[in-house]
This record gives sequence, structure tokens and C-alpha cells, in this order.
Amino acid sequence: KQEVTQIPAALSVPEGENLVLNCSFTDSAIYNLQWFRQDPGKGLTSLLLIQSSQREQTSGRLNASLDKSSGRSTLYIAASQPGDSATYLCAVIRAAGNKLTFGGGTRVLVKP
Amino acid sequence: GAVVSQHPSRVICKSGTSVKIECRSLDFQATTMFWYRQFPKKSLMLMATSNEGSKATYEQGVEKDKFLINHASLTLSTLTVTSAHPEDSSFYICSAPGRYEQYFGPGTRLTVT
Repeated sequence: KQEVTQIPAALSVPEGENLVLNCSFTDSAIYNLQWFRQDPGKGLTSLLLIQSSQREQTSGRLNASLDKSSGRSTLYIAASQPGDSATYLCAVIRAAGNKLTFGGGTRVLVKP
Repeated sequence: GAVVSQHPSRVICKSGTSVKIECRSLDFQATTMFWYRQFPKKSLMLMATSNEGSKATYEQGVEKDKFLINHASLTLSTLTVTSAHPEDSSFYICSAPGRYEQYFGPGTRLTVT
């Protein structure tokens, strides 16, 4: 059974500092991995999708890496801003069209 | 990107009543949809997989008679919480798979009084 873990569970940084969020999964047989952002009381916003054949994806200040063999992904957010404060979730999928397995999330607070 | 809608976004009901939540894929067809539940400050837990034209597949520990799922068309899945109790209060989110990624609805906040 796939298990996804995110460490740390919570993170507080001053504005401008880079953020590093970790995600690990126990079964390396994944189809892809997605990173999401969730604001309090809101739904999910997809940030980055990394397919199993890829090693990283970038979008603006966000960069996500994937090391499938070791079961790890890292989300980097450069030059953090107060608006980056949210919960970040990673999720893996075993095959196309299948269900997602989510990590517990990392709650991020960026202090101005 | 593809859009998934949910209705209602927020609902308050009394104990013992039933509540129906709709999940629609607006610009694509989905033979499968997923229903998740999220408690405050917790992650998403998959409740069931909704299959168009056939029975839903429920995760272990989810009561199929309490959480009725119907997937009558390629763009609509419904979740009905029957005989709701305060412990059913939660955030319910649906998703539909695209070719590579999952598209999520905005969620429904259910409060049972």
C-alpha cells in the first residue's frame, strides 16, 4: 500500500527566504506526482505535475524535483512572499486515471 | 485546463436529513470520479471511486449505505450523505482524472447541526 509522507508538517520563515518542502513515498511505481496548494477553507490548486519519466518541473518561482528510485520529491519556492502562506500537498498516482494518494501536507507561514 | 465544479459550495443541514453534493466535469468527460473527505487541518482521504454506469468502489471503513454515490452520466457524479450526523461535518472534494493529472472541484463544506 502506497504511503506518502510530508516533512515538516509546519514551517515558518521570514519573507524572502527560500522554502524547501519534502515529500516521500513508499512505492516507487508511480505514474506521476502532483504538488498542490490549499488555502484555508478552499479547494486545491494544482501547482506542478511531474511525470514519472521526468526529474523536475519549473513554474516561475516554483521548482519541483522527483527522484523516483528513492521515493522522494522536493518542492522549492524561491524568495518566499507572505502570499505563499498556505498548505502544500503532494500526491502520487499509480496509473493513469487512478486515485491519488496524498501526503499529510506542510503548512507554510511566511512572515512579512 | 479542465474544469470541475461542485454544488453546493456550502450547506448546513439538521441531523437526520440527507444532503446531495454534485460534481460536474464542465469541459471533458469522466468515466471515473473520486470523492475525498477532509477534516480540519488534515489531508484528503479518499472515500470512494465513482464509476459511470456501474457501482462505486468504496475505501475500507467508508459506509456505502451512508454515502451514496451515483455516476449517471459522463459529466456528473453525486454524493448523498444520508441521515447526516454532526460527525459527518467535513469538507468534501471531488476530482476527475484528465490524461495526465487530476482536476479538483472547489469543495463543499458540510455542517450538520
